[in-house]
Amino acid sequence: GAVVSQHPSRVICKSGTSVKIECRSLDFQATTMFWYRQFPKQSLMLMATSNEGSKATYEQGVEKDKFLINHASLTLSTLTVTSAHPEDSSFYICSANRQGSDEQFFGPGTRLTVL
Amino acid sequence: AQSVTQPDIHITVSEGASLELRCNYSYGATPYLFWYVQSPGQGLQLLLKYFSGDTLVQGIKGFEAEFKRSQSSFNLRKPSVHWSDAAEYFCAVGAPGGYNKLIFGAGTRLAVHP
Repeated sequence: GAVVSQHPSRVICKSGTSVKIECRSLDFQATTMFWYRQFPKQSLMLMATSNEGSKATYEQGVEKDKFLINHASLTLSTLTVTSAHPEDSSFYICSANRQGSDEQFFGPGTRLTVL
Repeated sequence: AQSVTQPDIHITVSEGASLELRCNYSYGATPYLFWYVQSPGQGLQLLLKYFSGDTLVQGIKGFEAEFKRSQSSFNLRKPSVHWSDAAEYFCAVGAPGGYNKLIFGAGTRLAVHP
């Protein structure tokens, strides 16, 4: 149990376009989901925390208008990178807390490349 | 500010040899400490965690870690490495409350020679 999926696993887009990444908890309900960004050979950096039905809480330095997060249900959160630029190229990872637990279960990540 | 340092970017060991992955943290209070493993194409999996109590914690897959407050360290160990242990290992520290707002180290990539 406690499986988190992400879709797509890889995406390549042109500069200026928007990209949506989905994070789903497959076999549990997630009250809280987290979005991380990982640069090559660097650690995961928390971008934002999202709770179902409410606005996401963004970490300092993360542009909320650029990285739109929607947590519409207890099993789905989406991250939309708007007007993507090459510097947005990165590995994006989500995690989810199962209801009744505060352990984070991680998705496999999405590799975004902006040309 | 909280931070986590994993001094070794890359480690190679022979199968059957012992393993120690280093982790040092900077935190103002008693930290919550975690070790995660990430295999290619898979999400991070929790190996073990320390919240309080016994400073030697046992985890899954035969791993253990020891919290040493005087050294601000939480090193991960395994007495005998298996080829399937080859992966990326992340140490993380969490604020009180446990798992929220995890701060990760840069990771250590483990290679295992047959």
